[in-house]
Amino acid sequence: GAVVSQHPSWVICKSGTSVKIECRSLDFQATTMFWYRQFPKQSLMLMATSNEGSKATYEQGVEKDKFLINHASLTLSTLTVTSAHPEDSSFYICSARLPGHNQPQHFGDGTRLSIL
Amino acid sequence: AQKITQTQPGMFVQEKEAVTLDCTYDTSDPSYGLFWYKQPSSGEMIFLIYQGSYDQQNATEGRYSLNFQKARKSANLVISASQLGDSAMYFCAMSRGETGGGNKLTFGTGTQLKVEL
Repeated sequence: GAVVSQHPSWVICKSGTSVKIECRSLDFQATTMFWYRQFPKQSLMLMATSNEGSKATYEQGVEKDKFLINHASLTLSTLTVTSAHPEDSSFYICSARLPGHNQPQHFGDGTRLSIL
Repeated sequence: AQKITQTQPGMFVQEKEAVTLDCTYDTSDPSYGLFWYKQPSSGEMIFLIYQGSYDQQNATEGRYSLNFQKARKSANLVISASQLGDSAMYFCAMSRGETGGGNKLTFGTGTQLKVEL
């Protein structure tokens, strides 16, 4: 069964709207979660590392004021795309790692964001 | 810096045959983890198999096995007895540190696999 839940699956909204995407770890605590972005037929690009109780660490070239990340609890990280524009349309996907040795990162089902 | 290279943009395989998806990597870290994920057209990322840099034996998970050749810096995925449901995009990924831990993943560009009747 799923270990990471992501919501919503699809978002279609007007330009200028802010959109919040949630990533939840199910039945385990995740001090670190990751947010990725994927354009059609391309690989996953890490946007930021979400750290519980502290500021997110953003990858080079990712605007922190544009992509707000909040990791207020050990099971929830949120990504808010502020004042979204058509170029922000993409597939956004989060991941978290199960605790324990040699555990991989598990991914949410992703969110397809379309800005009109 | 870490780098993952997948040189096969697309692969075809007949049902019930085995297929190898190539992955080479480059890193200066002494300890790292190697992962394979499957992404169907629906978009979710499904974890398939993991290999730690210090693991002596190649990892296996059901029909998936990882052909780890450390000296060549390759971590090829072998899928045996291919099924139609195996048709998907496959990504090779690497982490710093063997456990993968809280460390971020670097992904390859992926290989689109199509299984044919």
